[in-house]
Amino acid sequence: GQNIDQPTEMTATEGAIVQINCTYQTSGFNGLFWYQQHAGEAPTFLSYNVLDGLEEKGRFSSFLSRSKGYSYLLLKELQMKDSASYLCAVRDSNYQLIWGAGTKLIIKP
Amino acid sequence: DAGITQSPRHKVTETGTPVTLRCHQTENHRYMYWYRQDPGHGLRLIHYSYGVKDTDKGEVSDGYSVSRSKTEDFLLTLESATSSQTSVYFCAISEREDSSYEQYFGPGTRLTVT
Repeated sequence: GQNIDQPTEMTATEGAIVQINCTYQTSGFNGLFWYQQHAGEAPTFLSYNVLDGLEEKGRFSSFLSRSKGYSYLLLKELQMKDSASYLCAVRDSNYQLIWGAGTKLIIKP
Repeated sequence: DAGITQSPRHKVTETGTPVTLRCHQTENHRYMYWYRQDPGHGLRLIHYSYGVKDTDKGEVSDGYSVSRSKTEDFLLTLESATSSQTSVYFCAISEREDSSYEQYFGPGTRLTVT
């Protein structure tokens, strides 16, 4: 079967750095996406990785290792507005997105 | 923001009644998707469309049907609603399904079946 694993919840302090991990086992791989979802709102796109390595976009970076079936999202200089759920999704061999259950990130002052 | 709306935004209905949710886009994107989101689960694909009158089933399609008669509209119908279909339903659109083309999501419909 297909499976995406992420921690259910993480807590971090304002101004700090946090790393959210995602491991996957899917039928095929055609890219990995990270989305942010604030409570009661729609998911919004953060990043895309298809090749191994790090993609940096401002305070957010995303890393991929295809051989290990592993990705992480790194958030720097955390702000209170970063409190949200972070969703990892893999595009499989049928080009469908398989979603993890999401990681709820709680930021404390 | 991508032009994508959903209606209604909230609905309470009784078990056994039919329910139709509407997704409307102004982006002229080819691909449209219906997902449901439940606590402890990732987004789960119900049905998707790859063009007018072209639809296919997703992971959790039982009890749901869809129609797409125009590029801009994708309807999801619960033929006889059950309490297990209480969920938040998201519509998404995408220009293409390959490469880095991401999916854009509508605001969601919160459906409660009593």
